[in-house]
Amino acid sequence: SQTIHQWPATLVQPVGSPLSLECTVEGTSNPNLYWYRQAAGRGLQLLFYSVGIGQISSEVPQNLSASRPQDRQFILSSKKLLLSDSGFYLCAWSPGLAANEQFFGPGTRLTVL
Amino acid sequence: GENVEQHPSTLSVQEGDSAVIKCTYSDSASNYFPWYKQELGKGPQLIIDIRSNVGEKKDQRIAVTLNKTAKHFSLHITETQPEDSAVYFCAVLRGYQKVTFGIGTKLQVIP
Repeated sequence: SQTIHQWPATLVQPVGSPLSLECTVEGTSNPNLYWYRQAAGRGLQLLFYSVGIGQISSEVPQNLSASRPQDRQFILSSKKLLLSDSGFYLCAWSPGLAANEQFFGPGTRLTVL
Repeated sequence: GENVEQHPSTLSVQEGDSAVIKCTYSDSASNYFPWYKQELGKGPQLIIDIRSNVGEKKDQRIAVTLNKTAKHFSLHITETQPEDSAVYFCAVLRGYQKVTFGIGTKLQVIP
């Protein structure tokens, strides 16, 4: 069966510090991968998605970036965090062209102080 | 782009009663409509979905109905239980890559 992992689970970072959140998927190959942000009490905002290694599409201009160095690894990064980057970050995967369903990871709670 | 509206934003029901959450969308070409349940501090979990060639789908106490003409779909939970308390998100997809989510409905089931 497929599983999706995210780490760290929680993170507290000062303004201006760098960020690296990691997401890995097991049990599938060539998945579509997604990064979402969920602000407190708000819905899900799609940040990036990837249909293959090295292929990244950005949905919202911001100081975050994403990379996909391996088929089942998706990384969310920032060089300098802003207060507004605080939120709950969710990684998700889908089987790609075979189906529509998206499956979410457990999330990372980021607090920028 | 796609615009998804979800109502209500909060919903309180007595245990055993039914709960209904409704979403409307704007893109008539959308063809996949999932519902997710998110418990506090966790990622959303897919609970039921429906495709554009189906009008209704049921899975035990939950059901989803789709009206393509009116461009709205609804989640129905019958015989609600305290463990149904969570935030529920509708979503809309056209094609295979991007999903547009509703704002979410916080459901509270009162024992």
